Amino acid sequence: AQKVTQAQTEISVVEKEDVTLDCVYETRDTTYYLFWYKQPPSGELVFLIRRNSFDEQNEISGRYSWNFQKSTSSFNFTITASQVVDSAVYFCALSEAASSASKIIFGSGTRLSIRP
Amino acid sequence: DVKVTQSSRYLVKRTGEKVFLECVQDMDHENMFWYRQDPGLGLRLIYFSYDVKMKEKGDIPEGYSVSREKKERFSLILESASTNQTSMYLCASIGSNQPQHFGDGTRLSIL
Repeated sequence: AQKVTQAQTEISVVEKEDVTLDCVYETRDTTYYLFWYKQPPSGELVFLIRRNSFDEQNEISGRYSWNFQKSTSSFNFTITASQVVDSAVYFCALSEAASSASKIIFGSGTRLSIRP
Repeated sequence: DVKVTQSSRYLVKRTGEKVFLECVQDMDHENMFWYRQDPGLGLRLIYFSYDVKMKEKGDIPEGYSVSREKKERFSLILESASTNQTSMYLCASIGSNQPQHFGDGTRLSIL
């Protein structure tokens, strides 16, 4: 069965610390997409990244980086030098099929609080 | 920029009422989705649609129906609202080779 697990329910760190959000997934598909979304207190879901299962290169975007390891079925998200504005709920998600235009399975989310 | 608009941010209804949640997207996307979000459960898919007049059940369709009469509009219907349908409802649309774009959500309370 397809499943996305975010074991960390809540994380709280002090500003400027680095923080890693864990994501472990299960799928029988050989081709799939992985996503991270951010949901700030205002409620809207903001797309952060999409990764194809064939592309295991790590990605860095400013203070954000993603570590995709197919061998451990993990797609972890690291925020470097965290800021208060990073406080949000973060969702990892999996698209079952080769096309990303299919239904997406979400993890239960990790609530990240950055303290000043 | 893709715009997904949900008709209401907050909605309060009574048990037994028929409730309509509307979602409109402006990018001519074929695929549209309705999720509900509950604490500790993440987002769960209720229904989705790949084209006009087409609909597919998601993981938790019970108590809901949908309507897709026009490409840009995807409506979620609670035929007879119950208190366990109090939740945040999120609509999304997606085009080919693009990530899902979400609306701002509707926080629905059933009294």
